[in-house]
Amino acid sequence: EVRLVDSGGGLVKPGGSLRLSCTGSGFIFSNAWMSWVRQAPGKGLEWVGHIKSNSAGGTTDSGAPVKGRFSISRDDSKSTLYLQMNSLKTEDTAVYYCTTKYFGSLNYWGQGTLVTVSS
Amino acid sequence: DIVVAQSPDSLAVSLGERASINCKSTQSVLDSSSNKNCLAWYQQKPGQPPKLLIYWASTREPGVPDRFSGSGSGTDFTLTISSLQAEDVAVYYCHQYYTTPNTFGQGTKLEIK
Repeated sequence: EVRLVDSGGGLVKPGGSLRLSCTGSGFIFSNAWMSWVRQAPGKGLEWVGHIKSNSAGGTTDSGAPVKGRFSISRDDSKSTLYLQMNSLKTEDTAVYYCTTKYFGSLNYWGQGTLVTVSS
Repeated sequence: DIVVAQSPDSLAVSLGERASINCKSTQSVLDSSSNKNCLAWYQQKPGQPPKLLIYWASTREPGVPDRFSGSGSGTDFTLTISSLQAEDVAVYYCHQYYTTPNTFGQGTKLEIK
């Protein structure tokens, strides 16, 4: 059974930093392209970014609202995906989900971790 | 960026009746090399992560009931639930993955009439 466990969320002040983690099991993590998607309270889904498998180059891409502030990385030896979030803003408050990408669609999702940016 | 718009924003349908949700993109999401539309549909119930229902616009994810179907091509797509069940109450999102940034529709809330 595929399982994704998101962790690392919490309360942080504006301008602060936080690192989210997502540990996968039940599939070959090193072969998977992975994504982060967020959802502000009561709002819709927003794509944060993705990282390709290392065999596909391991490159990342992210959306304009987070570009230059957030970075995505992976440690295949630990089956873990990371989202390093710097210079956080109040509008970054959301539940953050990690997902697997299957030819682009997002086929498995973690349970999400809540990030609250507030003074 | 490709903008994806869903209609309606909310929908109330009687049990056993058909429900249809539309999704329109500002440019085609048809990948000419594969002849596949890069469009997916997700279902999200309260307090849960989204669940993939349909990908390539019309391919049902394994385990998804066959009352769910997707159709359309290019810029116009539809998710249809042929006979609404109580457990289908949820918010539904379309998602284009033709290009980055990937974008989602704003969501359609489906309720029982």
